[in-house]
Order: sequence, then C-alpha cells, then structure tokens
Amino acid sequence: DTEVTQTPKHLVMGMTNKKSLKCEQHMGHRAMYWYKQKAKKPPELMFVYSYEKLSINESVPSRFSPECPNSSLLNLHLHALQPEDSALYLCASSQEDFVAKNIQYFGAGTRLSVL
Amino acid sequence: DAKTTQPPSMDCAEGRAANLPCNHSTISGNEYVYWYRQIHSQGPQYIIHGLKNNETNEMASLIITEDRKSSTLILPHATLRDTAVYYCIVTFGDQFYFGTGTSLTVIP
Repeated sequence: DTEVTQTPKHLVMGMTNKKSLKCEQHMGHRAMYWYKQKAKKPPELMFVYSYEKLSINESVPSRFSPECPNSSLLNLHLHALQPEDSALYLCASSQEDFVAKNIQYFGAGTRLSVL
Repeated sequence: DAKTTQPPSMDCAEGRAANLPCNHSTISGNEYVYWYRQIHSQGPQYIIHGLKNNETNEMASLIITEDRKSSTLILPHATLRDTAVYYCIVTFGDQFYFGTGTSLTVIP
C-alpha cells in the first residue's frame, strides 16, 4: 500500500470557522509533510514532522496548526483563515533516512476555499 | 530557494522520447537530483533520483552530466498520460523545495 489518503477532498469555510484537514498513511513512514499549492505555482513546504515531532515550520501563520497524533496520522487545524489561504493543501510522507526522505508519497490534496 | 533551472514548457509527440533538461550548476557533492511530476489536479508523483550515475527505472531514465551541473529526464515513449508539470529538485536531507518546473504537453 503506497497510498496517502487526504480528507476531505474539498472544503469551503468562512473566515470565522474552525476546520481540520486529515492525512493518513500506512507505509510505516516516520516523516510527514504539509504543503500549500496555489494555482499554477509549485507546492510550498509548510510543516515537517519527524517521528511525530514538529521538525520544520516554514514561518507559517499561527492560524494553521499542525498535529501528529500518531505515526500514521497528520492533521492540519484551520482557524480564522483569510481568502488568500484558499489553495490546494497536500500531505506527503516518506522514510526518514537522508536519501529516502526526499522520496515522498503525496496524497491527492484538499482543495480549500475560504469565503 | 530552488537551485534548479528548467524550461517553462515543452511539447513532445506521442510515442517519441521526451527529454526534459534541468540545470543545477551550484549542486554540491552530496546533493542528489530528484524528479517528480504533477498531473493536473493530482498530488506530485516521485519518478526517479540519482547522485552521479545514470539511473533507469520503469518510468524513466535520468542522465546526469559528468560535472553534475545538469541532468536530463528521459521518458522513452511519451503517452498522453505523461502530460504534466515535471519538477527537478536538488537536495540532501531536509532542504526539499520545488522549483517552477517544466509543463510537458504530449501531442497526439
């Protein structure tokens, strides 16, 4: 099983809402990632978790709050988002050694619209 | 910041080889070259990676020049399903950043 599952596929939320994006993998990977992708742009790294601990935060605003409850799950909690946060949010996972950690398996993404 | 330069777009006739170039003139000795592609509305997909030797797998071949300052991804027999944005990434360890990529269109 080389699948990374993201739910929901689409999400529409208002600026005062609180919502969560979910990501799950069962490949035994110990590194998990959140990316943000705007239309016609490359994915931008947001957060990296290594062995369930946050290892990289690319200066992401605090209205995005990641959580890794166990080695298979990754959440992204959203609160008080702005319309410019509308984007495709991608989750990925990989092994942890220096070469294989850059062989990342991506989910299909959650397309988020903030109204 | 991305350390690679790729042409923004390319066309390839169906059934022909697609050769996608990437310049990475500032690559350091321990950095690998990775290639990914992203088909419209899907997540990126890993294709192949290499350090200094040429590599081949079931999807593609990767040719890295002897000075390692550039590489070429080869899709030997392009199909319509290979239409995608192809990203070349140079990294070792945690610094993994996508550049702007090459949009490949395979033409029937």
